[in-house]
Amino acid sequence: QIHLVQSRLELKKPGASVTVSCKASGYSFQNFGLNWVRQAPGQGLEWMGWISPDNGHTKYAQKFQDRVTMTTDTSTTTAYMELRSLTSDDAAIYYCAKDFSQYVVGLPGYWGQGTLVAV
Amino acid sequence: EIVLTQSPGTLSLSPGERAILSCRASQTVRDTFFAWYQQTPGQAPRLLIHGASTRATGIPARFSGSGSGTEFTLTISRLEPEDFVVYYCQQCDETPYTFGQGTKLDIK
Repeated sequence: QIHLVQSRLELKKPGASVTVSCKASGYSFQNFGLNWVRQAPGQGLEWMGWISPDNGHTKYAQKFQDRVTMTTDTSTTTAYMELRSLTSDDAAIYYCAKDFSQYVVGLPGYWGQGTLVAV
Repeated sequence: EIVLTQSPGTLSLSPGERAILSCRASQTVRDTFFAWYQQTPGQAPRLLIHGASTRATGIPARFSGSGSGTEFTLTISRLEPEDFVVYYCQQCDETPYTFGQGTKLDIK
């Protein structure tokens, strides 16, 4: 059974950085890309970026290009998303989400439970 | 950036009725790279439809997707009480991958 387990809550001050973790299990970690999607309170879904655990290749939304870094650790099957220079606009639930297919990049098929980042 | 516009923003229907949700893209999206998601309050989104028309594993047959190019539709044939939540369309044909703003299904 696929599991994506995220830290539940991160409380940060404006200007600080946050690193959200996503521990994956139940599937071949290296074979599926991981997306990061956020959702501000009462708002819709916003795609932030994608990473291939196989080779570390990333795709970032232009909006976050300068202050986001996505990485993976294949030894622990964990993905990380670091967001820097936080403002109140970054307060949101941050989801990691595994690609549905190895052949379709950026289509989340299974989602973690989300990490609430409060700024 | 491909903008996805969902309509209506809110749809008020009764259980047992049919719901038709629309998603219009600002430029052509290939079917393979189009999906629909369902989100219940307090939960993560769930994949309903991928490839524009293929139901994901475990999704009831009352959900169907159709359309191509710039016009896509999610149809729920007979609404169940648990279907009155929020639905999002998404494209992953071109970065940044984008979501529609969502359609909320309300009980009439």
